Amino acid sequence: GAVVSQHPSRVICKSGTSVKIECRSLDFQATTMFWYRQFPKQSLMLMATSNEGSKATYEQGVEKDKFLINHASLTLSTLTVTSAHPEDSSFYICSARFGETQYFGPGTRLLVL
Amino acid sequence: KQEVTQIPAALSVPEGENLVLNCSFTDSAIYNLQWFRQDPGKGLTSLLLIQSSQREQTSGRLNASLDKSSGRSTLYIAASQPGDSATYLCAVKAAGNKLTFGGGTRVLVKP
Repeated sequence: GAVVSQHPSRVICKSGTSVKIECRSLDFQATTMFWYRQFPKQSLMLMATSNEGSKATYEQGVEKDKFLINHASLTLSTLTVTSAHPEDSSFYICSARFGETQYFGPGTRLLVL
Repeated sequence: KQEVTQIPAALSVPEGENLVLNCSFTDSAIYNLQWFRQDPGKGLTSLLLIQSSQREQTSGRLNASLDKSSGRSTLYIAASQPGDSATYLCAVKAAGNKLTFGGGTRVLVKP
C-alpha cells in the first residue's frame, strides 16, 4: 500500500528557532500534499495544501510567513515553522494524495520550550 | 462551511460488544466520506471510504453506512476487541478536494 513518512517523529526546540519537518511519499508520486496540525484531544485542522512546483494554498488564519511550505518534488514536501513559540507546540501530520485517497504520515510531535 | 460532528466523544465498552460510532455533516454536497483510526501519538490509518453514490462499505468486522441526504454516517465494529481501542475519525471530502474532519470518538474496549 501507499506509504507516507515524516521526519523527524518528534522534535524539541527553543523558542525563536526554526524547525523543518519533511514529508515523503515512499512508493508513489504525489502532486498534492496536505499539512495538518492537531492539538491534544482535538481533530485535525488543515493548514495548507501543497502542490508540486507551485506555491502552497493556506487556510484562513494560517500565517504563510510563519509556516513555510516547499513542495520541490513529487515525493517531498517540507514544512518549516519559523521563529517557533510555545503556542506552536502541536502534532503536525502530512498527507499525500494518490488518486481518490489521501494517505497520512505518522505525524511529528513539536515541543517548543 | 462544512462542519463534521462525531458523537459520542468517548465510548467505553466491554470486550465482545458491538460498537456504533456516529458522524454527521452539515453540507450534503460531498464527494466521499472516510473513516480513520488514530492510535495515541500516531498518524491516521484509513479504514473505509464511501463514495457519495454508495450506501455502505464493509471490511471484515467493520461496516460503514452513508445517508447523504440526512448528512449522516455510522461506523459499526462487530465483536469489539481490546485492540480496537483507539480514536476514530470521520472526514468528508467536498468542493476544493479538502477533507473536513470530525472531532473524533475515543474508544476504549475493556477486556
